[in-house]
Amino acid sequence: DQQVKQNSPSLSVQEGRISILNCDYTNSMFDYFLWYKKYPAEGPTFLISISSIKDKNEDGRFTVFLNKSAKHLSLHIVPSQPGDSAVYFCAASEPGGSYIPTFGRGTSLIVHP
Amino acid sequence: DVKVTQSSRYLVKRTGEKVFLECVQDMDHENMFWYRQDPGLGLRLIYFSYDVKMKEKGDIPEGYSVSREKKERFSLILESASTNQTSMYLCASSLADRGRADTQYFGPGTRLTVL
Repeated sequence: DQQVKQNSPSLSVQEGRISILNCDYTNSMFDYFLWYKKYPAEGPTFLISISSIKDKNEDGRFTVFLNKSAKHLSLHIVPSQPGDSAVYFCAASEPGGSYIPTFGRGTSLIVHP
Repeated sequence: DVKVTQSSRYLVKRTGEKVFLECVQDMDHENMFWYRQDPGLGLRLIYFSYDVKMKEKGDIPEGYSVSREKKERFSLILESASTNQTSMYLCASSLADRGRADTQYFGPGTRLTVL
């Protein structure tokens, strides 16, 4: 059973508009969340993270929001650019020494010029 | 800047061949991982290692083995390649000092095709 779900396999957005990528989780022990971005034929790269003690973290055009009660997080990209077109993976981890994050299946974002 | 390198970007092998995928990281990371990525299935963990000569099975270890003789190097071995092992293979590394799953640094991937 998937503990981290990205229910939208794909998302299409116009350049300059906001992109919102969603991620839901079921494990209430998760307390640290990460987003990775992956271009075709390249490895994923870390984008932004958030700890459960916060509900928002911002880095330039990228903001991650965490709603612990709903077990939901979202990545906002404003404004979206064609270079943002990639697959975005949500990942979560729990405390206690496990070094393995749990990944969602990814959302493919296409930003149209 | 962390660098994770993988021995090949593209590889074509025949069914039944033994395949070695090499991964090297230069940041003295304790943890190293092997994933495969398939469309619609995301990243699936094959094996990971948290120290030299230590290995743990991930979610899909069947048909694979690993070797970690040196801290910087983590090898994935397909003992007898099969067509269902055609995939993108990604190596990653991370620090262990936080006692949690820290940011992972990924290599560029190896696109393996088994004919």
